[in-house]
Parts: sequence; structure tokens; C-alpha cells
Amino acid sequence: RKEVEQDPGPFNVPEGATVAFNCTYSNSASQSFFWYRQDCRKEPKLLMSVYSSGNEDGRFTAQLNRASQYISLLIRDSKLSDSATYLCVVNSGGQNFVFGPGTRLSVLP
Amino acid sequence: DAGVIQSPRHEVTEMGQEVTLRCKPISGHNSLFWYRQTMMRGLELLIYFNNNVPIDDSGMPEDRFSAKMPNASFSTLKIQPSEPRDSAVYFCASGGGGVYEQYFGPGTRLTVT
Repeated sequence: RKEVEQDPGPFNVPEGATVAFNCTYSNSASQSFFWYRQDCRKEPKLLMSVYSSGNEDGRFTAQLNRASQYISLLIRDSKLSDSATYLCVVNSGGQNFVFGPGTRLSVLP
Repeated sequence: DAGVIQSPRHEVTEMGQEVTLRCKPISGHNSLFWYRQTMMRGLELLIYFNNNVPIDDSGMPEDRFSAKMPNASFSTLKIQPSEPRDSAVYFCASGGGGVYEQYFGPGTRLTVT
């Protein structure tokens, strides 16, 4: 089993839709969690950290469920500019970051 | 700040040739990471340095790959000899200093023919 798993998609949604991505991780000792966004032919960039209590940044909401070892990202009122690949990242201590394979999102007009 | 700088941005070379990729991390960051990204395998960590010292190189695929960080502002990833299966985008990222976010460079797109 891979350390971090994601549904590869693609998720094709219309503008304005709400879309959710899940990510599961296998290392129960994982300490910190992130969502990165990667545009086509560009480098990954941090979208948001994921806190135990859940956190929100505008239209984006991240949740963490330690008991079930999964992380979610919810995007409300999706925009064309949200089209990208969303990478789940898990840190198990120090600088040991593991990136998931990514979920591709296409927001359609 | 200019961000993480990588060179070259594109490299096309023939099988058997030596390839050297370069990275300048963000000033003040004490961790540097080399990743490789392909469609099949996604983003893989090859090696990371902390305070210029290699900490984990378990992701380096084989002896043909080597990485150095002679000082806090420069790192190289070398492939010798290169093979077609090394074709990928190689990213350098920096971070650390109590901050968990990694800042990625624009990547080097390597094609080995």
C-alpha cells in the first residue's frame, strides 16, 4: 500500500459547483498535513496546511481525521482558475514529506 | 526574493552523457530537496539536505545519481551516465527554519534520447 493515496480523477465539474477530494495516509505517526496545488507544467505550490480542528481559507476547507487517517479538501463555488492538480502531502517528522499522486480537477464553463 | 532558482530549465541530451542540474535555494532556508516527477510515478523525493548535509538519500534511484551541496546557496544533481528512463521534470525545493512549507523552483525538464 502506498504511503499517501489519492483518487487521480479527473474530476470534471461546472463552474460554481462544490467539489471534495480525499486523501488517505498509512503512517499513523504522521504529524502534519498539507494541500499543494500544481498547475499544468508548473511547480507545486502550497495551498493550505491542514490543522486538527479543520481550517478554512475563503472557498477552501481542509479537514483531518486522524482516527481514519484521511484528509479532505472541499472547494466551494469553483472557478475556472481552480483547474489544477491537487497534491496531498504528509509529514512524518523532520523534513520527511511524502506527496500523494495528485487529483486532477477541471472546472468547466 | 527571487524564489528558488533552477538551471537549466530544459535539457535534451543523448544517452550516456553526463547531466548536471543546478539549484539556488531561497536565502535563509536551511533545507533543500531534490524531487523527480513523471506521469507514471508522480513526485518522488530523491534526496534532501539540512544545513548542507545530506540527511536522506534513500530515494536516489541508483549510483548514476549523485547530489552535492557545497554551500548554503548552491546544490547540484548529477546523472552520469544518463539513460532514457531518467527523462522527467526535476524539481528543487527549499524550506526549513521552523517553517514546514516547501518552496519549489520552476523545475528542469530533462529529456534523454
